[in-house]
Amino acid sequence: QVQLVESGGGVVQPGGSLRLSCAASGFTFSNSGMHWVRQAPGKGLEWVALLRYDGINTFYSDSVKGRFTISRDISKNMLYLQMNTLRPDDTGVYYCAKGSGWLADGWGQGTLVTVSS
Amino acid sequence: EIVLTQSPGTLSLSPGERATLSCRASQSVTNNFLAWYQHKPGQAPRLLIYSASSRATGIPDRFSGSGSGTDFTLTISRLEPEDFAVYYCQQNAHSPLTFGGGTKVEIK
Repeated sequence: QVQLVESGGGVVQPGGSLRLSCAASGFTFSNSGMHWVRQAPGKGLEWVALLRYDGINTFYSDSVKGRFTISRDISKNMLYLQMNTLRPDDTGVYYCAKGSGWLADGWGQGTLVTVSS
Repeated sequence: EIVLTQSPGTLSLSPGERATLSCRASQSVTNNFLAWYQHKPGQAPRLLIYSASSRATGIPDRFSGSGSGTDFTLTISRLEPEDFAVYYCQQNAHSPLTFGGGTKVEIK
């Protein structure tokens, strides 16, 4: 079955950078689109980014466009989210999710990012 | 951007009761690409329903989805103890993908 394990979260100062990773197994990673979705403390889910199955086409929410980059390494079955110029409102749990078209149909447990001085 | 409004914010019910959750979109969702997710604290969100009314693999048939255009409903026919959670609708027809604010189903 689909297994997704996020890592790389931690505490970072405003303006700093962090790279999240997501290890994927149980499905054909190279043929799948992948999402990042986050949840701020006490808030609901917010979609962040999508990498289409081709590994080329990417889509971002307006709140992260120009600061975050989604990418993958199919040789390692790994998904990444490079986060630059971090702000306090980027704080939250970040989930990676397997895409089926634009649908997120399998999710990881998440990794916590805290942006604070 | 399509805004999804879920109601009610909180639903207080007892096990065995029926739960009806609403999701209204600010504009029509193309092809009814509307999904429902269940989320429990500390766990991964779980896909329940896609394309408004199709159950995801392994989802019990007490969960059902209906609706089209701008109005969608998730129904849990008889609540089991493990169903108490937060439920989100999401449209996956238009970028940016958007979620509703969630409905918390709590034990009365």
